[in-house]
Amino acid sequence: EIVLTQSPGTLSLSPGERATLSCRASQSVSSSYLAWYQQKPGQAPRLLIYGASSRATGIPDRFSGSGSGTDFTLTISRLEPEDFAVYYCQQYGSSPPGYTFGQGTKLEIK
Amino acid sequence: QLQLQESGPGLVKPSETLSLTCTVSGGSISSSSYYWGWIRQPPGKGLEWIGSIYYSGSTYYNPSLKSRVTISVDTSKNQFSLKLSSVTAADTAVYYCARRGSITIFGDYYYYMDVWGKGTTVTVSS
Repeated sequence: EIVLTQSPGTLSLSPGERATLSCRASQSVSSSYLAWYQQKPGQAPRLLIYGASSRATGIPDRFSGSGSGTDFTLTISRLEPEDFAVYYCQQYGSSPPGYTFGQGTKLEIK
Repeated sequence: QLQLQESGPGLVKPSETLSLTCTVSGGSISSSSYYWGWIRQPPGKGLEWIGSIYYSGSTYYNPSLKSRVTISVDTSKNQFSLKLSSVTAADTAVYYCARRGSITIFGDYYYYMDVWGKGTTVTVSS
């Protein structure tokens, strides 16, 4: 089973700053199977990025994803007040088939 | 616009079976492009995938829960359901249903969970 480790656990930044969130896999992951989600308190997760770097419909271009193999990054170029939330990476593995999530990174206002 | 809605008891006794249903509206559960799944989130913790189902009834489950989980589909009602047996307090969580979409680009498959229900809280307690 592939384990996803996200860092940092908590990131404290101010609006307008750049946020860089990391997701490291215990073994190589196909980029096409790597996604990022945003979750705000009391809400369901929202798909941000799929295929490691493709923005989902309606996602602002300040969100970008990159990476390959075992190291993936979600970058928010200029933080808006509504971006403070918890972010999860997720991967699909084919053997056995299934999904795993990272433990999450909480992005909080400094 | 596709919407998913979870329903079921909010309180389940230890050792009993948790049963939830996800109703799909604004689209057909029988679309060949999608799988349908369950994900849960214990209080204050992260997300855990439980299992997924295709409209044909094909399923795959999280190995850590497989012995206790059954996911089924009712295409006539546009619903899919979760049963989790022998529950304990550790199964207390918000349970989400979600659609797993996919696209194919130059032969590569891209998978993602793009539509989610709002979630339903299930507490296991006597």
